[in-house]
Formats: sequence, structure tokens, C-alpha cells
Amino acid sequence: DSGVTQTPKHLITATGQRVTLRCSPRSGDLSVYWYQQSLDQGLQFLIQYYNGEERAKGNILERFSAQQFPDLHSELNLSSLELGDSALYFCASSPPLSTDTQYFGPGTRLTVL
Amino acid sequence: AQSVTQLDSQVPVFEEAPVELRCNYSSSVSVYLFWYVQYPNQGLQLLLKYLSGSTLVKGINGFEAEFNKSQTSFHLRKPSVHISDTAEYFCAVIVTSGTYKYIFGTGTRLKVLA
Repeated sequence: DSGVTQTPKHLITATGQRVTLRCSPRSGDLSVYWYQQSLDQGLQFLIQYYNGEERAKGNILERFSAQQFPDLHSELNLSSLELGDSALYFCASSPPLSTDTQYFGPGTRLTVL
Repeated sequence: AQSVTQLDSQVPVFEEAPVELRCNYSSSVSVYLFWYVQYPNQGLQLLLKYLSGSTLVKGINGFEAEFNKSQTSFHLRKPSVHISDTAEYFCAVIVTSGTYKYIFGTGTRLKVLA
């Protein structure tokens, strides 16, 4: 158990819908990262937040957005969902003095029908 | 552009045999290098990392990796594998310019056979 929690574990929805994935980092960690893992594209970095502020952006679509709240939990919002958005979405966190090491949550499996 | 290449998508190996999982990277700047393991239905777990210093890095579960700058490689090795090592292994780099941004390889599925 990494100490990073993600909810829900599974999510099934329809095309065109909007969903919110939630992540709670390990206690004391200020950075939160979001990743998408799919069969065709592998593990892709989406976005990073540090203490509430966006720090780095990867291959995140405009239909996706994220934020980190004052209590440091983070939410990833996916809208206008397409079949191709079906994937595992991982959240990771890292401690303030060791930002090179990331601790991954168990993931949320999103299925878009 | 930076990239990570894991040449083998699957590696079958018998129990107690040695294994090497290959990773090559391309970057014009310095990188930090990592290996992560993903067990079925779980998130990724850090095996080991190279930031600087000795090029031979030892990690958890008996794994080690060697950073070779001239060959831009960071191969993962274990002298004797167990059934429990069956998992997906990901090589990753962080480019040390600007913010930390991981670039992951496509993964190698290690299957340990009895």
C-alpha cells in the first residue's frame, strides 16, 4: 500500500458524459501527478500539481482538466468522453524533498461505452 | 525530444534463471533514470533509481541496474528470478531541465515459468 488513495476504483459511463476522478496523496506529499495508461499509448503523463498550483503539463487533452485543493487532494475531470478515453488513470504523489520519487495509487479504471 | 525504448515487450524466463530487461533512452540533457514494477491490478512501485554517483544501482527484491552513459542504457537485471517477479516493468526518465516530468517506456512483461 503506497498511501495514495484513488476513488472510484471502477467507473463505467457513456460517450459524451463527464466524470471526476479523485486522488488523495500520501500524508505530507505536496505534489500530485496524473497519468493515463492505455493499451495503445502506454503510460502517459498528464499533469502535475504542487501545493495547489499547476507545475507541469504533459499530454493532457483540452477536454480534461485537473485541480489540487487546499487539503492537497486532487481531482481529474474528464468531459465529452470518447471511447478512446477508456483507460486506467493513475495518480501519484511525491514528497517535498524527493520529488524524483513518485508513489502511485491503485488507479481508476474508466470504461466509456 | 526525449524518449525511452524498451526493446522487449515480453520476456519469458524459467524460475531461478537470470534475467535482463533492456532500456535505452535518448536525451540531449542529463536525465534521472528509474525502473518501476506493476503487479497485476496494482499501481506502479519504484524498484530503483539512478540520480548520480555509482553507475550500478541496487533496488528492492534483488534487482539491480547499470547506467551506461556511452550506450545510453539502463538495463535491469536479477541473477535469479522467482514466480512472484511476474509483472510488468517500466523504465522511465526524468529530464533534468525545468520541472520534473516522467517519460515512461512501453513496458516489458516478465513472465516467470515454473
